[in-house]
Amino acid sequence: EAGVVQSPRYKIIEKKQPVAFWCNPISGHNTLYWYRQNLGQGPELLIRYENEEAVDDSQLPKDRFSAERLKGVDSTLKIQPAELGDSAVYLCASSLRQTNSPLHFGNGTRLTVT
Amino acid sequence: QKEVEQNSGPLSVPEGAIASLNCTYSDRVSQSFFWYRQYSGKSPELIMSIYSNGDKEDGRFTAQLNKASQYVSLLIRDSQPSDSATYLCAVKIPGNQFYFGTGTSLTVIP
Repeated sequence: EAGVVQSPRYKIIEKKQPVAFWCNPISGHNTLYWYRQNLGQGPELLIRYENEEAVDDSQLPKDRFSAERLKGVDSTLKIQPAELGDSAVYLCASSLRQTNSPLHFGNGTRLTVT
Repeated sequence: QKEVEQNSGPLSVPEGAIASLNCTYSDRVSQSFFWYRQYSGKSPELIMSIYSNGDKEDGRFTAQLNKASQYVSLLIRDSQPSDSATYLCAVKIPGNQFYFGTGTSLTVIP
C-alpha cells in the first residue's frame, strides 16, 4: 500500500511570498488532515476533511491560509502571504473513519520563511 | 488544560534498560490511543496502538492503558540506541479527531 505522499519536501521563501503544499492520501482514506509542527512540539491540527468537506478548520488562520480537497482525494494547503512565524513542518495525514483507525503521516514539508 | 500531556524529558536510559514513557489525557470519551516515534527531521511513525484496558505487547514494546486513571504508557524493553527519538502520545476521540502530546525525547546511551 502506498503511503501518504507530500510535496515538496523542503521550501524556502521570503516573507510575504505565497507557498503551496500538496498531499495525496492513502487510497480509500476518507479523512485527511493538515497539521503544523513546530520544533519541540506535537503536531497541531490546521484543518480536517471528511471526503471533500472541511469539517474542522477552527485552528486555520483564515486570513492567510486556505485549503481545498477537490474530489475528496488530493489536497492543497496554501499560505499567502507567508510570515516568519509560519516556518514549521507541515504534515499531511490520512485515516479511515473506523474508531480504531490510526493516523498515517506523509513525510512532511519543511517550510522556512526568511 | 491540555488534552494530552507528556513529560517532555529528555529521558536518558542505558542500552539494554527499560524505558518508560507516560501520557495522561483529559477527555473521558477518548476511544483509541496511539504511540508514534519521530526521529529528528522525520515524520511521526506509528509503533503501537491500544484500545482497551490492560497491556498490549509487540516485540520489545508494551503499551499499557488505564481508562479509569486516564493514563497510557509505553515500555521499551532492552532499549537500543536506535530507539533514541521523540515519542508522541496520540488520543482519538469521537468524530475522527486526534490530539497529540508534545512528545518525550528519549536518548539511549550505548
